[in-house]
Amino acid sequence: DAKTTQPNSMESNEEEPVHLPCNHSTISGTDYIHWYRQLPSQGPEYVIHGLTSNVNNRMASLAIAEDRKSSTLILHRATLRDAAVYYCILRPGNQFYFGTGTSLTVIP
Amino acid sequence: ETGVTQSPTHLIKTRGQQVTLRCSSQSGHNTVSWYQQALGQGPQFIFQYYREEENGRGNFPPRFSGLQFPNYSSELNVNALELDDSALYLCASSPRSGVGFNSPLHFGNGTRLTVT
Repeated sequence: DAKTTQPNSMESNEEEPVHLPCNHSTISGTDYIHWYRQLPSQGPEYVIHGLTSNVNNRMASLAIAEDRKSSTLILHRATLRDAAVYYCILRPGNQFYFGTGTSLTVIP
Repeated sequence: ETGVTQSPTHLIKTRGQQVTLRCSSQSGHNTVSWYQQALGQGPQFIFQYYREEENGRGNFPPRFSGLQFPNYSSELNVNALELDDSALYLCASSPRSGVGFNSPLHFGNGTRLTVT
């Protein structure tokens, strides 16, 4: 299985930036890095993905290390609606391998 | 546009029984995958279907099987249920296109299966 390592939990104050780290030291050259988040009682929701270059979308930014062995999901201004479990996932071929994710708490 | 819908939302079965879970994919999506999520864990990949054929499988025994229909909806069947099969079962669909097939997954809200 393609493995990723994330902190179990993180806290952030509302309206401040959040940097969620992920280590994937065994990543291969063709593995894309995906991020999903899961709110309570819901299925996971796509956030962002990338291969080598940093990526931005309306939800977040993804910063990928030059050696691709780590990445960081950046939420520019955390809101209470961003409280969720965030999963960093490698995608080799047709399969997605989820880890246990980072539970993000946003403090008002 | 209609999202991914799963039925039923909750289900209670007895050990040894069989269960069928259903999933309607998002409009325009021809690929469906299934995941098992135990309490406090991340989703675990079960298998994926593309154009009615299985084209990827995780580390699950053969008693987990599936079908995809011409309208791209899908079923997950589990035979000889065990207590450890109690989990949230998630279905996800995606449009398969392009080299690398890195389209995002669109998940339903899952079926909560309890085996007693």
